Amino acid sequence: RKEVEQDPGPFNVPEGATVAFNCTYSNSASQSFFWYRQDCRKEPKLLMSVYSSGNEDGRFTAQLNRASQYISLLIRDSKLSDSATYLCVVNSGYALNFGKGTSLLVTP
Amino acid sequence: DAGVIQSPRHEVTEMGQEVTLRCKPISGHNSLFWYRQTMMRGLELLIYFNNNVPIDDSGMPEDRFSAKMPNASFSTLKIQPSEPRDSAVYFCASPTSTGGGSSGNTIYFGEGSWLTVV
Repeated sequence: RKEVEQDPGPFNVPEGATVAFNCTYSNSASQSFFWYRQDCRKEPKLLMSVYSSGNEDGRFTAQLNRASQYISLLIRDSKLSDSATYLCVVNSGYALNFGKGTSLLVTP
Repeated sequence: DAGVIQSPRHEVTEMGQEVTLRCKPISGHNSLFWYRQTMMRGLELLIYFNNNVPIDDSGMPEDRFSAKMPNASFSTLKIQPSEPRDSAVYFCASPTSTGGGSSGNTIYFGEGSWLTVV
């Protein structure tokens, strides 16, 4: 079983919609959690960290549930430019373990 | 800061040939990661260096793969002989702090080396 699991999608949503991605991880000792964004044929880039108390950055909200080993990302008021693959990332030591990503396509 | 620099950006080679991928990590960051990305398997950690020493190479697929970090500003990933199943994007990454890879740190990726073995 892969350490980080995500629904691959694709999620096709209209502009302005709210969309949520979920992710589960298997290592209960994991300490740090992140969402990365990867555009087509580009490298992954950090979108935001995920804190136990939940955190928000503009239209993006990340939540962590340690008991359920579950991470979520909510995007409100989707923009065309949000179209990308969103990677759930878990740090269990020195290295980051990446999910395979969830593909989002925002349409006009 | 120039970020993580990788070369070549694209390489097409014939099966059996040697491939060498190069990486210049972020200056002053003494850790480095090599990842491989494919559609089927996603991003996989191949090897992690700290202070130029390989700490974890358990992700290296097989003996055909080798990696070195002769100094803090340069690393190579070599495949010899290459096979079509090695076709992937190979990313080099530096952690975001100079304290090396550790819990809490995120990483910056280079733009990747797109390898096709025919």
